[in-house]
Amino acid sequence: EVQLVQSGAEVKKPGESLKISCKDSGYSFTSDWIAWVRQMPGKGLEWMGIIYPGDSDTRYSPSFQGQVTISADKSITTAYLQWSSLKASDTAMYYCARRSPTWEFFDSWGQGTLVIVSS
Amino acid sequence: DIQMTQAPSTLSASVGDRVTITCRASQSISAWLAWYQQKPGKAPNLLIYKASTLESGVPSRFSGSGSGTEFTLTISSLQPDDFASYYCQQYTSNPLTFGGGTKVEIK
Repeated sequence: EVQLVQSGAEVKKPGESLKISCKDSGYSFTSDWIAWVRQMPGKGLEWMGIIYPGDSDTRYSPSFQGQVTISADKSITTAYLQWSSLKASDTAMYYCARRSPTWEFFDSWGQGTLVIVSS
Repeated sequence: DIQMTQAPSTLSASVGDRVTITCRASQSISAWLAWYQQKPGKAPNLLIYKASTLESGVPSRFSGSGSGTEFTLTISSLQPDDFASYYCQQYTSNPLTFGGGTKVEIK
């Protein structure tokens, strides 16, 4: 069974950098696609991008291209989402999710990482 | 980008009611649509994919229908555990996009 476990909540100041993680305890990390989804406070879901850890093939939503970096370390079955300079508008819950093997919907989700950016 | 529009945004209903949520795509997505349930403070949970295929373990009171641009999620008899938010998602093209959500509240 795929289980995605995310890193804990973060409180940061504007301009700081941050890297959050998503560890996949399943056995098929290098053949799974792992996506990141943002949910701003009281709002809906937004797909940010997706990575294939097997070869690090990464695709971004145009809305997030250049704003974040998605990466993965297959040796420790972990995917990452990082910012080089946070803004207050990055305050949100961030979920990682596993894409189904056949189509681009998400059949397993992490518990979420809350990121608060405030001066 | 394909825009997904859900209606209503909020729905008040009672236990036992039949509930229908609509999702409309800005262009045809065939049947490449998924539905998720999200409870407060929790991650979304997959209910339905390919517009009408029930995910394993999801109660049969949930059903989905539609193709092209118009889709519905129906709960045949609302249960206390079903009070939550529901989101549709198209997966015909990138960027993948979600509807704005429908919150099902207790009447």
